[in-house]
Amino acid sequence: GQQVMQIPQYQHVQEGEDFTTYCNSSTTLSNIQWYKQRPGGHPVFLIQLVKSGEVKKQKRLTFQFGEAKKNSSLHITATQTTDVGTYFCKRSYIPTFGRGTSLIVHP
Amino acid sequence: GAGVSQSPRYKVAKRGQDVALRCDPISGHVSLFWYQQALGQGPEFLTYFQNEAQLDKSGLPSDRFFAERPEGSVSTLKIQRTQKEDSAVYLCASSSATSGRAYEQYFGPGTRLTVT
Repeated sequence: GQQVMQIPQYQHVQEGEDFTTYCNSSTTLSNIQWYKQRPGGHPVFLIQLVKSGEVKKQKRLTFQFGEAKKNSSLHITATQTTDVGTYFCKRSYIPTFGRGTSLIVHP
Repeated sequence: GAGVSQSPRYKVAKRGQDVALRCDPISGHVSLFWYQQALGQGPEFLTYFQNEAQLDKSGLPSDRFFAERPEGSVSTLKIQRTQKEDSAVYLCASSSATSGRAYEQYFGPGTRLTVT
């Protein structure tokens, strides 16, 4: 099937370091969504990117959509312990989540 | 207002039993989705409703899985003759848009199903 690949699977950082997760699709995406799931919780919507080359920021989070609309990234600047969780990218048609990147922040 | 609710939160079933999982979406949300999430994996799409119409059931893994939303609100996911590989968290999500797949989805807390 049409997959959404996400790397890395895990990322350990010291508090204050930056973090990036990458999402890749073999086919062109109409849009890409990002969700965060805290341990023991449910996915929570963060953002949706639609336009080629789009960049959106939410405080310390920066989301990018590639020019070819086949890849996306989420970058967190100066991580905090509250950033701990698994970050998923998701395509809309057919709804497909990446495997997720689990962020572990060491204080 | 209230978010998406699911019941039961936990369910233990013996292999071969039938189970029914309930989802109450956010009031007025047109679109409803079911996902299956295995440990350490991303949610996997099962099925999608727009109001009472089941528009996509391509993700249902077998004919033992059946979902309905008869009045366009509450939805039930039924699994017949449960197998151990059905053990997972079942997530329900709803969206306000008629073209619901491309919009923000609000997730419920999930039902953790364990088949023994």
